[in-house]
Amino acid sequence: DTEVTQTPKHLVMGMTNKKSLKCEQHMGHRAMYWYKQKAKKPPELMFVYSYEKLSINESVPSRFSPECPNSSLLNLHLHALQPEDSALYLCASSQVSLRAGGREQYFGPGTRLTVT
Amino acid sequence: GENVEQHPSTLSVQEGDSAVIKCTYSDSASNYFPWYKQELGKRPQLIIDIRSNVGEKKDQRIAVTLNKTAKHFSLHITETQPEDSAVYFCAATTDNYGQNFVFGPGTRLSVLP
Repeated sequence: DTEVTQTPKHLVMGMTNKKSLKCEQHMGHRAMYWYKQKAKKPPELMFVYSYEKLSINESVPSRFSPECPNSSLLNLHLHALQPEDSALYLCASSQVSLRAGGREQYFGPGTRLTVT
Repeated sequence: GENVEQHPSTLSVQEGDSAVIKCTYSDSASNYFPWYKQELGKRPQLIIDIRSNVGEKKDQRIAVTLNKTAKHFSLHITETQPEDSAVYFCAATTDNYGQNFVFGPGTRLSVLP
C-alpha cells in the first residue's frame, strides 16, 4: 500500500469554527509532513513530524495545531482561521532519512479548505 | 536556510521535442533532489530523484543531472507527449534527521500537439 489518504476532500469553515484535517498512511514511514499550497505556487512546508515528534515548525501561526497520535496518523487542528488561510492542505510521508530507505515523499490528495 | 530557484517559469514545446528545466540550490549540505509533477487539481507525484553521490539518473524518457560544484540540477524530458503537460517542481533537502524539503517555484510545461 503506497497511498496516503486525507479527509475531508473539501472543507468550508467560518472564522470562528474549529475543525480538523486528517491524514493516514500505512507504509511504515516515520516522517510525516503538512504543506500548504496556494494556487500556482509550490507546496509550502508547515510542520514535520519525525518518529511522532514535532521536528520542524516553520513559524506557522498558532491557529494551526498539528498532532501525531501514532506513526500512521497525522492531524491538523484548525481554529479561528482567516480567509487568507484558504488553500490546498497536503499531507505527505516518507522515510526519515536516506539511510532508512530513501526520502521519497508520498503526497495525499489534499484537503481544499475555504475560510469564509 | 536552503533556497531553490527554478527556470523557466513557463515552457511550451512541440510534441516530440525535448524539454529542460533547471534548478539551483544554495545549501551545499543538500544531498537529495526530487522532481515532482503536479497536474491540475491533483497531488504532486514524484517522477524522478537523485542523490548527491550520483551525477545522472535516467528513467525511460526522463533524466536528471546534478552538478554539485555549481549547485544546480536539471530535468530532461525527451520525446514529449501532451500528457507531460503539468507543473513541475524541483526540491532539495538534506539527509539530516528532521530536515525539511524546499521546493522551487515551479515550471508550467505545455506540450503542444
